[in-house]
Amino acid sequence: DAGITQSPRHKVTETGTPVTLRCHQTENHRYMYWYRQDPGHGLRLIHYSYGVKDTDKGEVSDGYSVSRSKTEDFLLTLESATSSQTSVYFCAIRGTGGDYGYTFGSGTRLTVV
Amino acid sequence: GDSVTQMEGPVTLSEEAFLTINCTYTATGYPSLFWYVQYPGEGLQLLLKATKADDKGSNKGFEATYRKETTSFHLEKGSVQVSDSAVYFCALSDVGTSYDKVIFGPGTSLSVIP
Repeated sequence: DAGITQSPRHKVTETGTPVTLRCHQTENHRYMYWYRQDPGHGLRLIHYSYGVKDTDKGEVSDGYSVSRSKTEDFLLTLESATSSQTSVYFCAIRGTGGDYGYTFGSGTRLTVV
Repeated sequence: GDSVTQMEGPVTLSEEAFLTINCTYTATGYPSLFWYVQYPGEGLQLLLKATKADDKGSNKGFEATYRKETTSFHLEKGSVQVSDSAVYFCALSDVGTSYDKVIFGPGTSLSVIP
């Protein structure tokens, strides 16, 4: 399997607290992505990264920030968690070239109470 | 902009039935096309892909043909099994532009009953 891991796998947190999710890859891929998956909404892109310190917003970026200080790590931070951010979060990596599909991590199930 | 449309689910089939999940796309360039599968409680996995017109992607008994004239990439399997129960996502990556993200369809849930 491609080397991509997400941590933690499950987390319960309280409204208003900051939360950081981690995505780690060993493939040296340039592109990394954060998605959230919710019933009825499919996969929605939160943020993505073209490389170290090079990130951009996706379609649902409000309330989220990201950082990529090393090629292998892409962090997603919920600055002040809200109940609407209860979701399953997936990280994905992608090699260069248009015919490279994504490789996904196993996901983080986040519950904000 | 680029988009992917899939047939609405859920789809329920009996074991050994024939499966078709329709997928059509809109793209400005020359996309690569993908099918992903998500089993319960897991992340998405690449099932198959096709990178140019008339290519056929295949894997695990599933296949899909890239039809440029109809902008379609329908997923088929001749005889489904209970273990095929999952959500299937059609997706595209447009190589004709500088676009570097994969666009996903909404997903089609499949349940196979014994």
